[in-house]
Amino acid sequence: GAGVSQSPSNKVTEKGKDVELRCDPISGHTALYWYRQSLGQGLEFLIYFQGNSAPDKSGLPSDRFSAERTGGSVSTLTIQRTQQEDSAVYLCASSLASGLTNIQYFGAGTRLSVL
Amino acid sequence: EDQVTQSPEALRLQEGESSSLNCSYTVSGLRGLFWYRQDPGKGPEFLFTLYSAGEEKEKERLKATLTKKESFLHITAPKPEDSATYLCAVQAGDYKLSFGAGTTVTVRA
Repeated sequence: GAGVSQSPSNKVTEKGKDVELRCDPISGHTALYWYRQSLGQGLEFLIYFQGNSAPDKSGLPSDRFSAERTGGSVSTLTIQRTQQEDSAVYLCASSLASGLTNIQYFGAGTRLSVL
Repeated sequence: EDQVTQSPEALRLQEGESSSLNCSYTVSGLRGLFWYRQDPGKGPEFLFTLYSAGEEKEKERLKATLTKKESFLHITAPKPEDSATYLCAVQAGDYKLSFGAGTTVTVRA
């Protein structure tokens, strides 16, 4: 596709339920990132993939959060047993590679609301 | 830990009224400073990357500059379509961007 695609665009769930958020990066981009954006705060780094490997998971807030990437393309961010504090916009970005000329291109995000 | 502070939080301008946004940063070994624009309900859109102090880049009514401690985004003769949140981010390692909270710019016709 022309850009980074994320689905769903909006997700409303009940506390305690599991949710899956999907990211389809720009074709050919080997690096993929997940960020979280809470109201009035900057983007918070969650996890980085190079190919199918995740060398940096340091930003995942708790063990309820996990992510995977398959075929060097689509990635899924899973949040188990959602809590109200998980409510935020989850943004995915991709880049051709990591390194000095790493320009990250973002999708429109998934707005998650936990009731 | 990398720190990025943007000011002001919000800026209201009259069409044609030029102004500047500030991004102050503390980072060990800056590799790049990025400016993004974010419209409501959308993801950040890349504007500029600056790599070294003294560097400047321009795009239409926007001009970004970089010093060793801060970056400025100058908006010259803004139009209503320049209304957006402008995000600053720094890269110290190979991939992770650390973002500021953003400056929301509103330009009135």
